[in-house]
Amino acid sequence: EAQVTQNPRYLITVTGKKLTVTCSQNMNHEYMSWYRQDPGLGLRQIYYSMNVEVTDKGDVPEGYKVSRKEKRNFPLILESPSPNQTSLYFCASSLHVSAGQGGSPLHFGNGTRLTVT
Amino acid sequence: RKEVEQDPGPFNVPEGATVAFNCTYSNSASQSFFWYRQDCRKEPKLLMSVYSSGNEDGRFTAQLNRASQYISLLIRDSKLSDSATYLCVVNDRYNNNDMRFGAGTRLTVKP
Repeated sequence: EAQVTQNPRYLITVTGKKLTVTCSQNMNHEYMSWYRQDPGLGLRQIYYSMNVEVTDKGDVPEGYKVSRKEKRNFPLILESPSPNQTSLYFCASSLHVSAGQGGSPLHFGNGTRLTVT
Repeated sequence: RKEVEQDPGPFNVPEGATVAFNCTYSNSASQSFFWYRQDCRKEPKLLMSVYSSGNEDGRFTAQLNRASQYISLLIRDSKLSDSATYLCVVNDRYNNNDMRFGAGTRLTVKP
């Protein structure tokens, strides 16, 4: 089954304790991206990757890192989590970067709900 | 001003009703437009793209008004299963990294 898989689904941690949220897709997609979703704000992009070894900052990259060593994996790393990073996180992928009409829609993982105390 | 604005709702409608949502966007140069559906605590899923000439998919009709910078989604003959949050998504260019998401409009369809 074609899918984007995130782990864990739920995570409660304490301030400063490094964590990694994994994301893997089995569709050979070029493009991958991380978003956070907060009430009333919609999804905001954290980082994205257009292909292996190519990553770039989105709108809210502070406090996050990513890597793209393989096409299928795009982990999100919080080196020193803080309470303002409590959020719902989504990984997404698409076949190509282009999302124009008739282009490649985003496929989302099922989300990671992170709480930092 | 938010780049993509939606009425958060909630819209509470009876089964069989017709309901419409609007979404306004601030960048007049925006190139592509989408509606995504998000069920409670789940991931967003593409509902439909929005084409310049307007487009229909079953009970769903999407329209774009570039002059007034808004897109709309019309749902006819609402079903209980249509209950969800509908996200308006605007792409400034044709790259996925330029997508801007609205905060969503919540719809509840009641029996």
